[in-house]
Amino acid sequence: EVQLMESGGGLVQPGGSLRLSCAASGFTFSTYWMHWVRQAPGEGLEWVANIKQDGTTKYYVDSVKGRFTISRDNAKNSLYLQMDSLRYEDTAIYYCVREIGGSGAYWGQGTLVTVSS
Amino acid sequence: QSVLTQPPSVSAAPGQKVTISCSGHSSNIGNNYVSWFQQLPGTAPKLLISDNNKRPSGIPDRFSGSKSGTSATLGITGLQTGDEADYYCGTWDSSLSAYVFGSGTKVTVL
Repeated sequence: EVQLMESGGGLVQPGGSLRLSCAASGFTFSTYWMHWVRQAPGEGLEWVANIKQDGTTKYYVDSVKGRFTISRDNAKNSLYLQMDSLRYEDTAIYYCVREIGGSGAYWGQGTLVTVSS
Repeated sequence: QSVLTQPPSVSAAPGQKVTISCSGHSSNIGNNYVSWFQQLPGTAPKLLISDNNKRPSGIPDRFSGSKSGTSATLGITGLQTGDEADYYCGTWDSSLSAYVFGSGTKVTVL
């Protein structure tokens, strides 16, 4: 059974940092593009970043470029999102997603990040 | 402001049909596959349709997808109360080098 388990969310002050993790199981993690998608309270979905199977190619939405870093460890079947210089508008549920645009797309349950003073 | 345009809401009686449109540009829908996602209240989104019109296993054939030019459409027939949810279209945008979503459409069963 495919499982994606996010962790690392919580309350952080503006300007602070947080590192999200996503533990994958039930599939061959190293063969899939992986993504982070977020959803602010009461709002729609916003794609944040993605990373190629071998970690060599990464893309980011403009609003997080230079502040967020996506990475993966295929040996540990894990995806990460390092979030620095956090802003109020980064408050959202962050979802780990496998192959978002393909037939194998699968979403985790999400982890809540709250940026507040 | 979402790159892909969806109607905010659609509604119909049980058993009826609804369609949800998703309008984009040549840089996204026009040259890439479209997916549709269903988000039931309080839950994570789930893949409904991939590659414009393919249903993953477990998705009933009441749900269908199509694409023409720079627009895509999700159809739901035999509407059920359990279909009340938010629906999002999504695709890769080659100009932005980013995955983009529609603003979402809330389906209400009257």
